[in-house]
Amino acid sequence: DVKVTQSSRYLVKRTGEKVFLECVQDMDHENMFWYRQDPGLGLRLIYFSYDVKMKEKGDIPEGYSVSREKKERFSLILESASTNQTSMYLCASSPPSLETQYFGPGTRLLVL
Amino acid sequence: RKEVEQDPGPFNVPEGATVAFNCTYSNSASQSFFWYRQDCRKEPKLLMSVYSSGNEDGRFTAQLNRASQYISLLIRDSKLSDSATYLCVVNKVKAAGNKLTFGGGTRVLVKP
Repeated sequence: DVKVTQSSRYLVKRTGEKVFLECVQDMDHENMFWYRQDPGLGLRLIYFSYDVKMKEKGDIPEGYSVSREKKERFSLILESASTNQTSMYLCASSPPSLETQYFGPGTRLLVL
Repeated sequence: RKEVEQDPGPFNVPEGATVAFNCTYSNSASQSFFWYRQDCRKEPKLLMSVYSSGNEDGRFTAQLNRASQYISLLIRDSKLSDSATYLCVVNKVKAAGNKLTFGGGTRVLVKP
């Protein structure tokens, strides 16, 4: 069974703080993704990576950065958290040959 | 206009009834189509792929209409456990990363 884990289920941060969200997958997948999910807007892609040390911007990268130093780990960084970054953050992974994405349980981030 | 649009619902369905709903996509060059299921406060999971010829998986039937640019999902003999949000997903280009575009979801509530 594919397993994607995220470092926290719930997180509360203050405006201006630097926030790290970690994602780890145990299936040796090349592709990894970060989304945010908001009511009425669905899942929106922030960043993705299809190899170690490689990253590509998604549809809404502003205010975020990512790091992929190891194949199994993909980190999302909020350099200076703002209240409009309060959201559910979902990480996903997939092998290159398949389009199916496997999601982690999500992190609910509240920025005060 | 959103790239992938869905009626958010909710569709209130009596147990045992049939329910069907559509999803429209704007990019005529879209390559692949999927339905994902997301339970309340859980991560999305692949329900089924959608093929040009239509396909069935148990009580679930998916159809693709390329001419009118929509896909549909039909659930027969609805169970209480079918209550979830159904996400329409489109892959525009089969390339490295397999970037998917998600609709906002259609909420289905099956009631006794």
